[in-house]
Formats: sequence, C-alpha cells, structure tokens
Amino acid sequence: DAKTTQPNSMESNEEEPVHLPCNHSTISGTDYIHWYRQLPSQGPEYVIHGLTSNVNNRMASLAIAEDRKSSTLILHRATLRDAAVYYCILMAGGTSYGKLTFGQGTILTVHP
Amino acid sequence: EAQVTQNPRYLITVTGKKLTVTCSQNMNHEYMSWYRQDPGLGLRQIYYSMNVEVTDKGDVPEGYKVSRKEKRNFPLILESPSPNQTSLYFCASRLSGANYGYTFGSGTRLTVV
Repeated sequence: DAKTTQPNSMESNEEEPVHLPCNHSTISGTDYIHWYRQLPSQGPEYVIHGLTSNVNNRMASLAIAEDRKSSTLILHRATLRDAAVYYCILMAGGTSYGKLTFGQGTILTVHP
Repeated sequence: EAQVTQNPRYLITVTGKKLTVTCSQNMNHEYMSWYRQDPGLGLRQIYYSMNVEVTDKGDVPEGYKVSRKEKRNFPLILESPSPNQTSLYFCASRLSGANYGYTFGSGTRLTVV
C-alpha cells in the first residue's frame, strides 16, 4: 500500500483556521486521498476525500497539490470539538477493494 | 438513521470461550470490514468483505473468523479467544468503488482474561 506521512501533532486556537499536511510521494494515478478523524472514545469518522481537484464539504476543504504528492486538510474555523486524531489515507481506485491502511495520524489539539 | 451498529459495546470474557461480535449496517453497503485498534499499533484490518459470501483476510486475521451470509450483517467470531485479542474493535461499511468513504461503528471493547 502507498504510504502517507503526517506530523505527529499540531496545535491550534479556537476559531482559527487549521492546515493539516500530508505527504504521499508514492501515490499512484488511481489512488484517492481520504481523510478520517477519530474523536476520543469514538470510531473513525469520514471527513473528506479527493482525487485530483480541491474539494469542499460542510466539514472541511481538501487541497491537493498539482503533482498529487501532498495534500492539506483545511478546517476553516477550529472548534474544541475538532480536537481529534486526523488520518490521511490513500485508497486504491479502480476495481480494487479500497482497503484503508491507517497510519499514526496527527493529533490535533485545539486551545480555547 | 444511517449507521453501523456493533454489539456488544463492552465484553469481558475468559480465555477459550467462543464469542461473536455482531455488526449490522442499514445503508445497503457492499463493502464491510473489521479493524482492531491497539495503543501504539493504530488501526489494523482483520477481515473484509466485498459482498455476500465474498470475504478475505486483512493484515491481522489470525484467531478470527467472519461470515457474510446477508448483505447487512458481518459478524466477527473468536473461536478460542486469547488475552492478546484484548482490543478495541471497529466494524465499517461503504458502497463499492473508491469514491465513497467508510462509515464506522462505535466500537466494541473486548477484554479476554
């Protein structure tokens, strides 16, 4: 499976934007970039995904580099409820199963 | 409400006593999967299923069995649990194709003594 690299931890203040980076230099042309987060004592939660173009949804935005070797998850205004572990994962496209291989993720701390 | 339901949420059992953790989804998803989460090791895939009667091993299948007789259910079976299977377990499901995200259940915390 193609690998992703994320910082171990990041900190933010409430109501400020947060940019969570992810490197995936070995990404293949059919890999989708998925982001999940896991709040304390809960199961992982899907956040957003994309292939080549930047994506927006109600939770976040995903900015994908032109060469697709890196991406950034953007939380526009962090809240205390956004404190979680954020996972950047590559999911194979095409007809493959689309297995999710989780790395260690980034622990996001949000200060009031 | 669209969801993945796992039962039980908490379970303490003794070594060797067979147990089943149930997983059910109401979204007509084709793909289902089981993960275990351990401190320092993160989330690791145990088994997955691409549809009814189609299952395959993930990264850590030893000591576990699964079955997929109906689309909505994907139980995880521990025939002879051991203490090293003490973990937090998550079931997940999604539609087929890479353009969909997984929905995870709330987890089952299993302790084997």
